Formats: sequence, structure tokens, C-alpha cells
Amino acid sequence: DAGVTQSPTHLIKTRGQQVTLRCSPKSGHDTVSWYQQALGQGPQFIFQYYEEEERQRGNFPDRFSGHQFPNYSSELNVNALLLGDSALYLCASSLAPISTGELFFGEGSRLTVL
Amino acid sequence: DQQVKQNSPSLSVQEGRISILNCDYTNSMFDYFLWYKKYPAEGPTFLISISSIKDKNEDGRFTVFLNKSAKHLSLHIVPSQPGDSAVYFCAASENNAGNMLTFGGGTRLMVKP
Repeated sequence: DAGVTQSPTHLIKTRGQQVTLRCSPKSGHDTVSWYQQALGQGPQFIFQYYEEEERQRGNFPDRFSGHQFPNYSSELNVNALLLGDSALYLCASSLAPISTGELFFGEGSRLTVL
Repeated sequence: DQQVKQNSPSLSVQEGRISILNCDYTNSMFDYFLWYKKYPAEGPTFLISISSIKDKNEDGRFTVFLNKSAKHLSLHIVPSQPGDSAVYFCAASENNAGNMLTFGGGTRLMVKP
């Protein structure tokens, strides 16, 4: 049973560029959430996708956008990259609707912005 | 404004002893609390959770205590093992907030043999 898979695992970009990160949820899961984890901090909620729509959004600017495909996989796009966007980006999947908050996380995509 | 705080960035414990990790929160709307464990180069993995209608939940060596009046929860690990060495995150969610978790900053636990 494949867990949550993310790609790429590492990438380096320069300021102003755009990046796309990809996520395949755990088999049987239909809801994908994205989190940003800066160095030394806990993960911060970016947004959640369910039925190909953004359902909830955290306190992140519009430069952060996403998409969910019919097969439940998801992409996170960040435009006009800033140095402060350097972080580990975690994808998490779950069955929806749930209120218990038990998420299954991928290993993350580490983004470095130079 | 950090709604979930873990005030101890690190904790060192001897193997076999008890590890106690603490977490405080400010949002009274939080009604579900979770602990996640994270090893280097891996994503966080769910450890244990507790609903606000309970004050204790136990799963093997792991017990979570919730004190709603103090807005405080703690994770007890007994006995601690070297394999428990990891970063532990406390997280909370609000009713109907689905999977939107608010995480604390984490506590690095080191269990010495």
C-alpha cells in the first residue's frame, strides 16, 4: 500500500521564479492538504483540496495556489518566489470528511530559494 | 500569534525513564488534539490524539493528558526507548475545521541508552 509520495524531494530556485510541487495521496484517500515547514518551526497549513476544489486556506498569499486532479493527486504552485519561501513543503492526505485530523504525511519537498 | 506552543525546544531523558512533553494552546475553539512524531528526512507520523470531551487517552507506552481549564496538554512516554528519539509536534484542530491542523514548534526528544 503506497503511502503519500511527493516530488521532487529537493529543488533549488532563484528569487522571482515559479515552482510546482507534486503529491500523490495514500491509496484510498481523496483529500490533500499542503503544509509549509520553515526551519526550526512546526508545519503551517497552506490549503486543502477535496473534490478538485480548494476547501480551506491558511494565512498564505495568493502567490500560493494549488490544484487537485480527478485521480486525487495534487500540485502546489508558488509564483514570484521569495527567500522566505525556502522551507520543507509537506503534503498530507486523508479520508474526507473527517474531523479527527489524522493526516498521513509525505516526506516533503525541500525548496531552497537563492 | 502562536495558538499552539511547545515551550521546550529539546528534552533529554535516560532510557527506561519517563518522557513528558508539554504543549499549551490559546484558542478555546480547539476541540481535538494530536501528537505527531517526526524522524529526520521523513514526514510527521501520527502518534496519539485526544478529544476535548476526554482528559486522558492511552495507547501502549504513550499517554496524552488534556487540561482544558489550563489549556494544556502533555504527552507521557513510559518507558522511554532510544527509538523514541525524534521531534514531537503537538497539533490542534477546531470543530468542522476538517484537516486544518495548527502545529506547535516541536520538541526534540533525545533518549540516551
